[in-house]
Amino acid sequence: NAGVTQTPKFQVLKTGQSMTLQCAQDMNHEYMSWYRQDPGMGLRLIHYSVGAGITDQGEVPNGYNVSRSTTEDFPLRLLSAAPSQTSVYFCASRGPGGGEQYFGPGTRLTVT
Amino acid sequence: AQSVAQPEDQVNVAEGNPLTVKCTYSVSGNPYLFWYVQYPNRGLQFLLKYITGDNLVKGSYGFEAEFNKSQTSFHLKKPSALVSDSALYFCAVRDEEGDYKLSFGAGTTVTVRA
Repeated sequence: NAGVTQTPKFQVLKTGQSMTLQCAQDMNHEYMSWYRQDPGMGLRLIHYSVGAGITDQGEVPNGYNVSRSTTEDFPLRLLSAAPSQTSVYFCASRGPGGGEQYFGPGTRLTVT
Repeated sequence: AQSVAQPEDQVNVAEGNPLTVKCTYSVSGNPYLFWYVQYPNRGLQFLLKYITGDNLVKGSYGFEAEFNKSQTSFHLKKPSALVSDSALYFCAVRDEEGDYKLSFGAGTTVTVRA
């Protein structure tokens, strides 16, 4: 099992550019989520999905889009990057019940 | 709404001394509580969780945590800290009542000096 994988590891964008952060898991987990981590603020939920075809907003969804066409993949799209989106992004997945989430290694994004 | 507070930004201890990282929470229903650890430039690793049952939960790397419902706390403890325990620790909570969202505290940086 590779667990949760994320690509790329690092990315630098100019303001206004778009990009997609990839996330995949091989544990057949229904629940997947995206977080951003900023110093002193912990992790904040951006979007989540409880299964293929079902997504919902977290606490900081503005500027981000997601889709879930398969159980394995949950990409995060930035349509027009802004400097405020400079952050470290983590994808996570969870199985059913009260289990813990499994996190990917993260993507460090810088928007100039 | 659910929330988590980690009142200490930093905790400094000497190797071999007990380590405690504090966490308090707020949820409307029964809490699912978690501790994660993050080493520099790495993702989050799961340490332990409380779902139900015994209030003292044992986890990875010799860590344990005590659930206290009356004080709404879930403090992380280790009897004898190691230099390798130096990392960023996050407490997280999820409401049992069908809420899929996991809320994190701001994190506590633990430094263990030799």
